[in-house]
Amino acid sequence: DQQVKQNSPSLSVQEGRISILNCDYTNSMFDYFLWYKKYPAEGPTFLISISSIKDKNEDGRFTVFLNKSAKHLSLHIVPSQPGDSAVYFCAATTPRAGGGADGLTFGKGTHLIIQP
Amino acid sequence: ETGVTQTPRHLVMGMTNKKSLKCEQHLGHNAMYWYKQSAKKPLELMFVYNFKEQTENNSVPSRFSPECPNSSHLFLHLHTLQPEDSALYLCASSQQTTRAFFGQGTRLTVV
Repeated sequence: DQQVKQNSPSLSVQEGRISILNCDYTNSMFDYFLWYKKYPAEGPTFLISISSIKDKNEDGRFTVFLNKSAKHLSLHIVPSQPGDSAVYFCAATTPRAGGGADGLTFGKGTHLIIQP
Repeated sequence: ETGVTQTPRHLVMGMTNKKSLKCEQHLGHNAMYWYKQSAKKPLELMFVYNFKEQTENNSVPSRFSPECPNSSHLFLHLHTLQPEDSALYLCASSQQTTRAFFGQGTRLTVV
């Protein structure tokens, strides 16, 4: 049973427009959410994150929104650029008792294609 | 360059072979992870090491054997793998936070 779901395998957006990538989760214990970007033949790179105490976090062209009641988050990219074409993974994690770190639970990813 | 280095980048091995994947992190982190990415599947967490101690094993078959000799190095020893084990194996590290830094991965093909 997938705890983090990205229901759109791919998304095509025109350059300059807004890209909106969606993610849903089922585990109410998740309290920290991240977006990663992945190019072919490379490992995922961190993009932006949000804690459950917030509902929005912005970093340049990237904004992540969190709706805890709906267990939904979204990544907005505006304006979209050709270099944004990549696979975007949503990830979530739970607090770890006693410190240390816990693994991330990932969605399947959305392949974003920015068209010129 | 993320500070997490994986070798080799590509590996082809037979089902009777024994090989090892290596990961090294230069970030001073105290947690390291192995993930598996198969086609059309999410990244699957395999193992977690906190302060060199294995704290999570997500029901991974025993033909995958992790080793963490120190907080900077992580190995994944492979033996008698199956063709369905062919995938991209990713190593990551973090410092008591949830933001993990990934290596570039090892593309493994089992023939």
